Amino acid sequence: DGGITQSPKYLFRKEGQNVTLSCEQNLNHDAMYWYRQDPGQGLRLIYYSQIVNDFQKGDIAEGYSVSREKKESFPLTVTSAQKNPTAFYLCASRSSGTQETQYFGPGTRLLVL
Amino acid sequence: AQSVTQPDIHITVSEGASLELRCNYSYGATPYLFWYVQSPGQGLQLLLKYFSGDTLVQGIKGFEAEFKRSQSSFNLRKPSVHWSDAAEYFCAVGESFGNEKLTFGTGTRLTIIP
Repeated sequence: DGGITQSPKYLFRKEGQNVTLSCEQNLNHDAMYWYRQDPGQGLRLIYYSQIVNDFQKGDIAEGYSVSREKKESFPLTVTSAQKNPTAFYLCASRSSGTQETQYFGPGTRLLVL
Repeated sequence: AQSVTQPDIHITVSEGASLELRCNYSYGATPYLFWYVQSPGQGLQLLLKYFSGDTLVQGIKGFEAEFKRSQSSFNLRKPSVHWSDAAEYFCAVGESFGNEKLTFGTGTRLTIIP
């Protein structure tokens, strides 16, 4: 069954702690994206990657880091430098080429203890 | 830079009534346009998309949208809503070149009353 999986569904972070959100896809997509969703603000792009071992900052990259060592995986680390990490995080992927669609995973809700 | 405006934060309609959700975009070239739907605590599901060609596009669940270049709009419509349509709806504009990043509107929450 093809799709995008995100884990965990809920994640709790303590002050000063780094946490990593997982995103895996078996759609053979080249491009992957991380978005942050806050109430009333829509989705904002954190990082994106168009190919393995390459990624670019989005609009709100400060306090986050990513890696893209495998085509199917694009983990997001929320570092202690991110002072307001409580949000819903969505991962998406897209096939390469023009006129392609982004497909989304089910999301991870991050809460601060 | 591209931008999307969804002027209605919350809309309430009666079941069986027609629906129109508004979306206006700003983009220098011909845009790629999308409507996504999100149920509470879930990811986004694609309803429909416009890349080129016929300006009236059909999507899933009986939704349609019309691209109007002169008005920079891409409004979503449904002739008769069902209680299961209650959700949040997002309009997005994509770059028509390069990495095709998406910029999202702030969403419209749809409530259906019996």
